[in-house]
Amino acid sequence: RKEVEQDPGPFNVPEGATVAFNCTYSNSASQSFFWYRQDCRKEPKLLMSVYSSGNEDGRFTAQLNRASQYISLLIRDSKLSDSATYLCAVKNQGGKLIFGQGTELSVKP
Amino acid sequence: NAGVTQTPKFQVLKTGQSMTLQCAQDMNHNSMYWYRQDPGMGLRLIYYSASEGTTDKGEVPNGYNVSRLNKREFSLRLESAAPSQTSVYFCASSEGVWVLTFGAGSRLTVL
Repeated sequence: RKEVEQDPGPFNVPEGATVAFNCTYSNSASQSFFWYRQDCRKEPKLLMSVYSSGNEDGRFTAQLNRASQYISLLIRDSKLSDSATYLCAVKNQGGKLIFGQGTELSVKP
Repeated sequence: NAGVTQTPKFQVLKTGQSMTLQCAQDMNHNSMYWYRQDPGMGLRLIYYSASEGTTDKGEVPNGYNVSRLNKREFSLRLESAAPSQTSVYFCASSEGVWVLTFGAGSRLTVL
């Protein structure tokens, strides 16, 4: 079983929809949590870090649930430009950053 | 500011050939990483270097070796390439708990 797991999707949603992704991690000692965005044939880029109290950046909200060992990403009012693969990442106590499989999002007009 | 630079961008090898992927960062980061990305598998960590002079295995280290030549450079070597190593390879660097900065990737095909 992978240390970090995501539903690979794809998620096909209309513009304006709200979509949520979940990611579970198995190492309870994990220290830091992130969401990355990857466009087709490009390198991943940080979308947002995930804090214990939850955090919001415009249309994007990230949550961390340490008790259940999952993180989530909510995208409100989806835009065509949000189409990409979203990767969750977890940094363990050894400093290694482990990624999930990625969830593909396709926003349609 | 170049960030993380990987070479080569593309490479085709025959089974059994060897090659080295080069990675250099100019951000004075201590930590460097090598990942591979395959369809449906996400990014899988091959090797990790927390600082100059140290390396540690990741999720899929078999068939690879690494060298942390200095603080800037972290190379990945395939001694005897296999078709299963056909992939996109990403190098990344970070400082402490801060986020990773990735290189643009190296596409390797092993025939």
